[in-house]
Amino acid sequence: DAEITQSPRHKITETGRQVTLACHQTWNHNNMFWYRQDLGHGLRLIHYSYGVQDTNKGEVSDGYSVSRSNTEDLPLTLESAASSQTSVYFCASSETGGLYNEQFFGPGTRLTVL
Amino acid sequence: AQKVTQAQTEISVVEKEDVTLDCVYETRDTTYYLFWYKQPPSGELVFLIRRNSFDEQNEISGRYSWNFQKSTSSFNFTITASQVVDSAVYFCALSEANFGNEKLTFGTGTRLTIIP
Repeated sequence: DAEITQSPRHKITETGRQVTLACHQTWNHNNMFWYRQDLGHGLRLIHYSYGVQDTNKGEVSDGYSVSRSNTEDLPLTLESAASSQTSVYFCASSETGGLYNEQFFGPGTRLTVL
Repeated sequence: AQKVTQAQTEISVVEKEDVTLDCVYETRDTTYYLFWYKQPPSGELVFLIRRNSFDEQNEISGRYSWNFQKSTSSFNFTITASQVVDSAVYFCALSEANFGNEKLTFGTGTRLTIIP
């Protein structure tokens, strides 16, 4: 069965370190998204990609970067982790022009920056 | 810009009571999609329903029902005869229907607690 996975599921790091969160989907979807979830804010869009070599900034992109070298993966990098980036991160994917734009979500990664 | 408002931050009801979760949205688009997701205590996001802006028919799925009203820009969610398993955070979301602009805008969520 097709799925979307994230790794690691839990990560503790220190301020200033570079961190990369992995997202891998086997749906063969062109669209991939990264969101962060914080209490009182719901889910906010960080970066998104509509295909290989395409990346776009979302609502809260400062301090984050992504790259898309293949269809299946969209890793999210925190260049220099900050305590404000402690959050739960969700990756999602959807089919381009798909019915209703339904997004399929990964299980999430809980990141703690000390 | 799109916006989704879920004014109810937390709701608690006694088991078997009915409960309605409110969702109000803002968009300039004439065609859009609306969604509800459930996030149980385990943390994953569970898709519940999607609605096309052209389709204002209400929908019922078991104990769940959704009331979509374009006139008031609302997409409310009602759980009938609530159960403890309904305890979760519920998110309403909005997406443009234009090709190449499929990102979702989420509300801040409503935490629903069902008291046994």
